[in-house]
Amino acid sequence: NAGVTQTPKFRVLKTGQSMTLLCAQDMNHEYMYWYRQDPGMGLRLIHYSVGEGTTAKGEVPDGYNVSRLKKQNFLLGLESAAPSQTSVYFCASSTPPGRGRETQYFGPGTRLLVL
Amino acid sequence: ELKVEQNPLFLSMQEGKNYTIYCNYSTTSDRLYWYRQDPGKSLESLFVLLSNGAVKQEGRLMASLDTKARLSTLHITAAVHDLSATYFCAVDSGGSNYKLTFGKGTLLTVNP
Repeated sequence: NAGVTQTPKFRVLKTGQSMTLLCAQDMNHEYMYWYRQDPGMGLRLIHYSVGEGTTAKGEVPDGYNVSRLKKQNFLLGLESAAPSQTSVYFCASSTPPGRGRETQYFGPGTRLLVL
Repeated sequence: ELKVEQNPLFLSMQEGKNYTIYCNYSTTSDRLYWYRQDPGKSLESLFVLLSNGAVKQEGRLMASLDTKARLSTLHITAAVHDLSATYFCAVDSGGSNYKLTFGKGTLLTVNP
């Protein structure tokens, strides 16, 4: 099993450009999450999904959109990138609480630089 | 709003010494997680603590949870260089959505 994978690994954008980050998991997990990690800030939840076709806002959703058209994929979109979105983005997946091993499994991360 | 505070944020230790990292959180929860992150890498699950009084140990690390005090500790015994990493605690805010709020992390450096 590959676990959680993320594409791309690294990207440089200019202000105003758009892009989509792809997260894929092969563990048949219902729940998926997008976080951003900034120095000294820990991880902050952007959006999450508790099942195919459902999404919800996390702590820092502004400037991002998400879609979960297939159970195994969770896409994070930046419609008009800003320098404040320079960060490392992590995707994670899990089973619902009370089922399976109770932890979130993280992907390798995507480093995004917005100039 | 759930707040999670870790201390210290930076910890420099000598090999062979013991130390404890603390994780306090602001609202009731009985589900707490510890993760490790090496520089430039992803997060690796260390411990899952799901009830008051839970204690888990692996190697030189031991984690415990006191839900009444809203406190978890990660104790390091006889530190070795390989333990150098950033350690995060994360607390489940409750409900069925399984949303985690992370602390800012503790950067641990173990020196020879």
